[in-house]
Amino acid sequence: DTGVSQDPRHKITKRGQNVTFRCDPISEHNRLYWYRQTLGQGPEFLTYFQNEAQLEKSRLLSDRFSAERPKGSFSTLEIQRTEQGDSAMYLCASSLEAYTGELFFGEGSRLTVL
Amino acid sequence: DAKTTQPTSMDCAEGRAANLPCNHSTISGNEYVYWYRQIHSQGPQYIIHGLKNNETNEMASLIITEDRKSSTLILPHATLRDTAVYYCIVRVVNYGQNFVFGPGTRLSVLP
Repeated sequence: DTGVSQDPRHKITKRGQNVTFRCDPISEHNRLYWYRQTLGQGPEFLTYFQNEAQLEKSRLLSDRFSAERPKGSFSTLEIQRTEQGDSAMYLCASSLEAYTGELFFGEGSRLTVL
Repeated sequence: DAKTTQPTSMDCAEGRAANLPCNHSTISGNEYVYWYRQIHSQGPQYIIHGLKNNETNEMASLIITEDRKSSTLILPHATLRDTAVYYCIVRVVNYGQNFVFGPGTRLSVLP
């Protein structure tokens, strides 16, 4: 499978715990995005990388959230001290720095905070 | 905030054309219109995009009005598998700008 892959697909955690999600983009894609989606809403932008550089962060990305893309390949999104409001689907997408700018999304990682 | 407005939901009979409208009255000259869809429990899937000319691919057609203030996504022969939420987005290509998704249109294809 050469699409965007995310791991884990589902995560249940207790409030206050830390969680980490991983995203492996399509191999030649140099752009990587993280989005969050709650029930009934469209995806909301969190942050964006071009290669290893984090170029844009949403106001939604509080201090408890951190994202990295250390070698410009896979990325991790960590949430510290989780809160019930963090329960959502976390989507990763990648794209080429090319004319179309089309985003390719993964299946998402669903987080449930109890 | 999303720069587009779409109906909340629509129904379409299987085998008929599904026409999904989108208003983007504040679109800028360098902004493209993108359409994505999201089938339940999956990530969004790219459908088509265009600037001012009508576009067609194997999935759909995109009709953009001459003033570019609105567009219509056409699924020529809707199937049950086309049941999904459809998102219309305007964005400057290759600017690094993120895609801003609104709530979209929930299309139900009925047998």
